[in-house]
Amino acid sequence: SSELTQDPAVSVALGQTVRITCQGESLRRYFASWYLQKPGQAPVLVIYAKDNRPSGIPDRFSGSSSGNTASLTITGAQAEDEGVYYCNSRDNSGNHQVVFGGGTKLTVV
Amino acid sequence: EVQLVESGGGLVQPGGSLRVSCAVSIFTFRTYEMNWVRQAPGKGLEWVSYISPSGSTIYYADSVKGRFTISRDNAKNSLYLQMNSLRDDDTAVYYCARGDDGDGSVSYYYDYWGQGTLVTVSS
Repeated sequence: SSELTQDPAVSVALGQTVRITCQGESLRRYFASWYLQKPGQAPVLVIYAKDNRPSGIPDRFSGSSSGNTASLTITGAQAEDEGVYYCNSRDNSGNHQVVFGGGTKLTVV
Repeated sequence: EVQLVESGGGLVQPGGSLRVSCAVSIFTFRTYEMNWVRQAPGKGLEWVSYISPSGSTIYYADSVKGRFTISRDNAKNSLYLQMNSLRDDDTAVYYCARGDDGDGSVSYYYDYWGQGTLVTVSS
C-alpha cells in the first residue's frame, strides 16, 4: 500500500502563515483531503478534494497540490488552529483502500 | 445537526469478540457510503472498513481482513462493526465516518465523524 508522509511538528507565530505538507506517490493520481484533530476530539474535515472548504471552515484555510505533494496553508493562523493535521487520499493499490498521513502537530505561538 | 453516535466499546481479552455500533441521525443514511476509522492511543488515523449505501460492496484494510465484518441496517440508520479474534494491536478508538468522493473517484474524504468508542484488548 502507499504511504503519506507528513512532518511531525510545525510551529507558527500568531497571525502568520504556515504551510503543512503531505507527500506520497498516491498524490500524483489522487487529491488529498485534510483534517484537524484537537485533543480528545474527533477529526474535523477542513479541506476536501485538494482545495475545497466545507461549510463553516474559515477561508484562511486553503489547499493545493503539485506532483507528489499536497499542501494545506493557513493564512493568518489563530490560536484555535492548534492541533494535529492529517492528510488522506485514495491508495494506489485500489479496491477502495484509503491511506492517512502520520499527522502534523501545529503549535501556534 | 448531523449526529453519529458510536457505542459498544469496552475491554475484551485477546482472541475475543466485540460489536460496535454507530447510530446516525439527520442525513439520509441509506444514500451514503460509511466507514470505520480507528486511532490507536497516541497514534494516527487508520482506515478500517468501507460499506456502500446498499451494503452490497464492502472493503477492509489488510490488517483486519478475515477478522472484522462491517454491516449496516438502513431501516435503523445504523452501522456496525463485528470484531472477532481481537489482538492487542486492535486497541483503539473506533470512529464511524461518512465517506464521499465528491464528483469523481480522484478523492475520498470523511465529512462527518462520530465521537468514537474505545476498544481495549488486554488480558
